[in-house]
Amino acid sequence: QQQVKQSPQSLIVQKGGISIINCAYENTAFDYFPWYQQFPGKGPALLIAIRPDVSEKKEGRFTISFNKSAKQFSLHIMDSQPGDSATYFCAATLGNTNAGKSTFGDGTTLTVKP
Amino acid sequence: EAGVAQSPRYKIIEKRQSVAFWCNPISGHATLYWYQQILGQGPKLLIQFQNNGVVDDSQLPKDRFSAERLKGVDSTLKIQPAKLEDSAVYLCASSLGQLARNEQFFGPGTRLTVL
Repeated sequence: QQQVKQSPQSLIVQKGGISIINCAYENTAFDYFPWYQQFPGKGPALLIAIRPDVSEKKEGRFTISFNKSAKQFSLHIMDSQPGDSATYFCAATLGNTNAGKSTFGDGTTLTVKP
Repeated sequence: EAGVAQSPRYKIIEKRQSVAFWCNPISGHATLYWYQQILGQGPKLLIQFQNNGVVDDSQLPKDRFSAERLKGVDSTLKIQPAKLEDSAVYLCASSLGQLARNEQFFGPGTRLTVL
């Protein structure tokens, strides 16, 4: 059961451009929405996360936009750099009564060309 | 602060053989997770421990997979017997607690190839 759908599967952006990755979820019980960055041979690492009562969160060049009514959220990477080339996963986490269980999207492979 | 440690990093086995993976979480982290990451997919939760008790194992194929977390620290995930479709990276993660907003820290994973 695909509860979190992520797109696109892959993305190529020029250095300095904006990278946008989208996710959609189905279960309204999800209570927290983190994004992870994964480099080859490494485990995922938390990049940025948002609560459902906030429409936008920005940390440096990374911004999450959240649309609760549409059950969609997206990651924007401003001024993309070659070092941002990695696989990005969105996730949706259930509330505390469900032990904070996370469901991940299938990932987006980002390539930033110099 | 030391991260989540996993071993081995790579394992190649024949189908129907058994294999075990080990995880040492970050010190003081009460919650431990095992995920299966198949190539081209996101991590899928197999089992979640809170201290040494199982919180969620609904997606663990219990006929062949088992996991334990004795003394609430290290954990072992075992597959017996392995199938071709078990080829994946097995990720261990830990967090301070099981609150939704507790950050999960992932280890580097064990890449399993079943021939």
